[in-house]
This record gives sequence, structure tokens and C-alpha cells, in this order.
Amino acid sequence: DSGVTQTPKHLITATGQRVTLRCSPRSGDLSVYWYQQSLDQGLQFLIHYYNGEERAKGNILERFSAQQFPDLHSELNLSSLELGDSALYFCASSFTGGPNEQFFGPGTRLTVL
Amino acid sequence: AQKVTQAQTEISVVEKEDVTLDCVYETRDTTYYLFWYKQPPSGELVFLIRRNSFDEQNEISGRYSWNFQKSTSSFNFTITASQVVDSAVYFCALSFQGAQKLVFGQGTRLTINP
Repeated sequence: DSGVTQTPKHLITATGQRVTLRCSPRSGDLSVYWYQQSLDQGLQFLIHYYNGEERAKGNILERFSAQQFPDLHSELNLSSLELGDSALYFCASSFTGGPNEQFFGPGTRLTVL
Repeated sequence: AQKVTQAQTEISVVEKEDVTLDCVYETRDTTYYLFWYKQPPSGELVFLIRRNSFDEQNEISGRYSWNFQKSTSSFNFTITASQVVDSAVYFCALSFQGAQKLVFGQGTRLTINP
């Protein structure tokens, strides 16, 4: 158990809908990262927050957004969902914002029908 | 650009055999960091090791060992006396100074048969 929690574990929804994925980092970690894992794209970095501030963006679609709250938990919002958004979404955390090892949560498997 | 290549898509061996997973990376940065993660069938990503570019010492942890060679831009992972529980997808990843993300390879699916 990495200490990173993600909810829900599974999510099934329809095209055009909006969902929110939640992540709680390990105790004491200030950084939260979001990654998407799909069969065709592999593991792709989406976005990084450090202590409530956005620090870096990767291949994140405009339909996707995220935030990190004062208690350091983070939410990833996915809207106008398409079939191609079906993937495993991981949250990871680390103590600092630098190139340290990141500890991953169990992931949320999103299925868009 | 930063890139990680894991040329072996799938490897299948019999239990107790030694197996090496290859990782080749590309970066123009002089300071960078290499990682290995394990993704068992349950799906979570488990951190295994982090290595800095200025530390070329090989590392051994039980049955696991890592060989870092800057001259060939490789960071290979060897499992000695493999066990069925080692069956998983293994990812090599790269990060660099000032970056906040991990760049992952495509992963190698390792199957250990009893």
C-alpha cells in the first residue's frame, strides 16, 4: 500500500458526461501528479500540482481540468467524455516538486460507453 | 526530447530462471533520474528504484539488481531466480532536473511460468 488513495476504483459512464476523480496523497506529500494509462498511448503525464498550485501540464485535453485543495487532496475533472477517454487514471504523490520518486495510487478505471 | 525505450514487449520464462529487462533512454540533460516501476496484475504501480545520472554504481536488492551504463544510455533490470510473483508489467521511467513528470517507456510484460 503506497498510502495514496483514489476514488472511485471503477467508473462507468456515457459519452458526453462529466466525472470527477479524487486523490488523497500520502501524509506529508505536497505534490500530486495525474497520469493516464491507455493501451495505445501508454502511461502519459497529465498535470502536476504542488501545494495547491499548478506546476506543469502534459498532454492534458482542454476538456480535462484539475485542482489541488488546501488539504492537499486533488480532483481531476473530465467533461464531454468520449469513448477514447476510457483509460486507467493514476494519481501519484511525492514530498517535493522535484524529480523524486512518485508513489502511485491504485488508479481509477474509467469506462465510457 | 526525453524518451525511454523498452524494446522487449513481452518476456516469458520458467520459474528460477534469471531474466533481464532492457531500458534505453534519450536525454540531452546532464542531470537526470531513472526509475523502475512494477505493475502487477492488480493494477497499481509500485516504485522499485531511483537512480541519479551522476551515480553509476550498480545496485542490488535481494533478487533484484540494476545495471546503469551512461555510455550506452541503458538502465537494465535483472531478476535472479525468478518467481511466479514476479509476473507483472515493468516500466522504466526518466525524469530530469526541473521537471515534474515521469516519462515512461512502453513497459515489458514479464510472465514467470511455474
